[in-house]
Amino acid sequence: DVVMTQSPLSLPVTLGQPASISCRSSQSLVHSDGNTYLNWFQQRPGQPPRRLIYKISNRDSGVPDRFSGSGSGTDFTLKISRVEAEDVGVYYCMQGTHWPLTFGGGTKVEIK
Amino acid sequence: EVQLVESGGGLVQPGGSLRLSCAASGFTFSSYRMNWVRQAPGKGLEWVANVIQNGSEKYYMDSVKGRFTISRDNAKNSLYLQMNSLRTEDTAVYYCCRGSSSSFWGQGTMVTVSS
Repeated sequence: DVVMTQSPLSLPVTLGQPASISCRSSQSLVHSDGNTYLNWFQQRPGQPPRRLIYKISNRDSGVPDRFSGSGSGTDFTLKISRVEAEDVGVYYCMQGTHWPLTFGGGTKVEIK
Repeated sequence: EVQLVESGGGLVQPGGSLRLSCAASGFTFSSYRMNWVRQAPGKGLEWVANVIQNGSEKYYMDSVKGRFTISRDNAKNSLYLQMNSLRTEDTAVYYCCRGSSSSFWGQGTMVTVSS
C-alpha cells in the first residue's frame, strides 16, 4: 500500500500568517493516464471532511484562493497564504492513483 | 444542491451485521464512482470501499475483504455497504463520498461494535 506521510502533526499559526503542510508518498503518484491524483481535505471540528484541492493544485468551487497546492511525484504541499480563524481544523492528503486509496495521518492547524 | 445522506448505523455486537445506506440527490448519481470512508473516534480517515458507475467493479481495503460488500442502485440513487462479521475495530463514523477523489461527503453515520 502507498503510505502517505504528513508533517507536521500539529501547526500553531498566528492569524494572518502563512502556513504550509507537507505530504510525502512512499511511491510516485503519477498515474498511467498521466494525471497525479493527490487531493487535500479540510475537516473542521465536528464536521465531515471537505475536499479543497484535487490533482495536486486544482481548487474546488468555493475554496478561497488563499489555499494552494503544489508538488509532483512523491512530494506535495498545501499552503495557506494568510490563515483565518475559519481555517482551524485537521487537514488530510489522499492519494487516488493506487489501490487501496490511502490518506495521510492529518495535520492539525490551530491558532496561536 | 448536492446531498448525500447516510443511514443505518447503530450499536451491534461483535460478529453481527449492519447495512448502511446513502441516499444521493442533486447530481447524476449514475455518472460517479462512489466511496465509503470511515473515521474511528479521534482518529484519521480510512478508505473502505469503492464501486464504479455501473456497479460491476468493486474495490476494498484488505481488512474488510470478504466481510463487507459495497453495492449501488442507480434507479434509486442509493449506495449501500453490507457489513458482516463486524469487529470492535470497525467502530467508526462511516461516510459516503462522491467520486474516487471524494469530491463531496455526507454527514456520516456512526457504527459502534461492542458487547
